[in-house]
Amino acid sequence: EAGVAQSPRYKIIEKRQSVAFWCNPISGHATLYWYQQILGQGPKLLIQFQNNGVVDDSQLPKDRFSAERLKGVDSTLKIQPAKLEDSAVYLCASSPGLAGETSSYNEQFFGPGTRLTVL
Amino acid sequence: GENVEQHPSTLSVQEGDSAVIKCTYSDSASNYFPWYKQELGKRPQLIIDIRSNVGEKKDQRIAVTLNKTAKHFSLHITETQPEDSAVYFCAAGYSTLTFGKGTMLLVSP
Repeated sequence: EAGVAQSPRYKIIEKRQSVAFWCNPISGHATLYWYQQILGQGPKLLIQFQNNGVVDDSQLPKDRFSAERLKGVDSTLKIQPAKLEDSAVYLCASSPGLAGETSSYNEQFFGPGTRLTVL
Repeated sequence: GENVEQHPSTLSVQEGDSAVIKCTYSDSASNYFPWYKQELGKRPQLIIDIRSNVGEKKDQRIAVTLNKTAKHFSLHITETQPEDSAVYFCAAGYSTLTFGKGTMLLVSP
């Protein structure tokens, strides 16, 4: 099956500019995640969607970050305005099951990520 | 929220040796503990996972153990090979995952 797709793969912007990332999850996966991975650290969850509803956005800096998942499929993550500390890889992941399930559907499949550099 | 600590941050072994990476977690509600391998510039990939109703799981050269009482779990890789060199992340959670900071494993031929 096709994996999680993300675009663009790389993006370089000036601070205070805006940027948007796109994610297409594996077909049929109900849950979609956006993670921020700063160099040398583990992925940090920004937001989790179940279908087109938000399950958890407690770590999303809502003054500058926004995300949506229209129609419960593709998702976009936007940063406006960007700061230097936003430089990171933004990973999208999807899983087949619903939030809170204890079945094997908890497995998350990651996309290749978008490497953002803010100058 | 959940807090996951991972040790060591780097681990160097000779080919054929065993490698052990340890993680602790704070939230007793966590019931899912996956391990991901991330090669340089690539996406994290699941290599093994364990659930709270199981104490140990093995898949060929890789095994994971879980001690729920002590809130710690470990990854064991036996007969290491150079292609095992990568960064390994543990994670813990229920419906969302909290990741550790990673362990860079270097396997020398």
